[in-house]
Amino acid sequence: TQLLEQSPQFLSIQEGENLTVYCNSSSVFSSLQWYRQEPGEGPVLLVTVVTGGEVKKLKRLTFQFGDARKDSSLHITAAQPGDTGLYLCAGLTSGTYKYIFGTGTRLKVLA
Amino acid sequence: KAGVTQTPRYLIKTRGQQVTLSCSPISGHRSVSWYQQTPGQGLQFLFEYFSETQRNKGNFPGRFSGRQFSNSRSEMNVSTLELGDSALYLCASSLMSRGNSPLHFGNGTRLTVT
Repeated sequence: TQLLEQSPQFLSIQEGENLTVYCNSSSVFSSLQWYRQEPGEGPVLLVTVVTGGEVKKLKRLTFQFGDARKDSSLHITAAQPGDTGLYLCAGLTSGTYKYIFGTGTRLKVLA
Repeated sequence: KAGVTQTPRYLIKTRGQQVTLSCSPISGHRSVSWYQQTPGQGLQFLFEYFSETQRNKGNFPGRFSGRQFSNSRSEMNVSTLELGDSALYLCASSLMSRGNSPLHFGNGTRLTVT
């Protein structure tokens, strides 16, 4: 069974602080996506990373795909209350073409 | 462009009953996937349909089934409901199948089984 472990599970920080969320697996993925989900809504895609070692930036968010394509990280600089939500990583399996979702990181940014 | 629409938003059913959930994908999207989201298990893949054919299936019992129509709309059916089926059921559409394009999720149907 392929698993994607995210850490931490919960994070409560003050506005302006930096944070990093990790997504780890023992499996290799063709690509990896990060989503944010807010209460009462479905997940919304933030980014897709495909190449090992790839780094993508989306304003204050920086995403990195591990060299071996087994892990990824999401770094948020100067977090804002609007960043509050459930962050999910999802790896696309090779061959079976299924998305395996991570266990999720629930972030709360306090004003 | 309208997003993915799921109906109904909320549903309460009794153990043993069956339920049908509906998903209308973004116009032009031919792939529809279904996921179950629970606090304990997270988001788990149920199945994917593309051009009316089931392309992929997760590890759920046969009580969970689905279909896709010629207009790409999809329905998911759960028979003989159990308490553990209580969850948020999410539908996602994408332009292509097999992970070649990003997933666009609907806001889900929250099913409560009593």
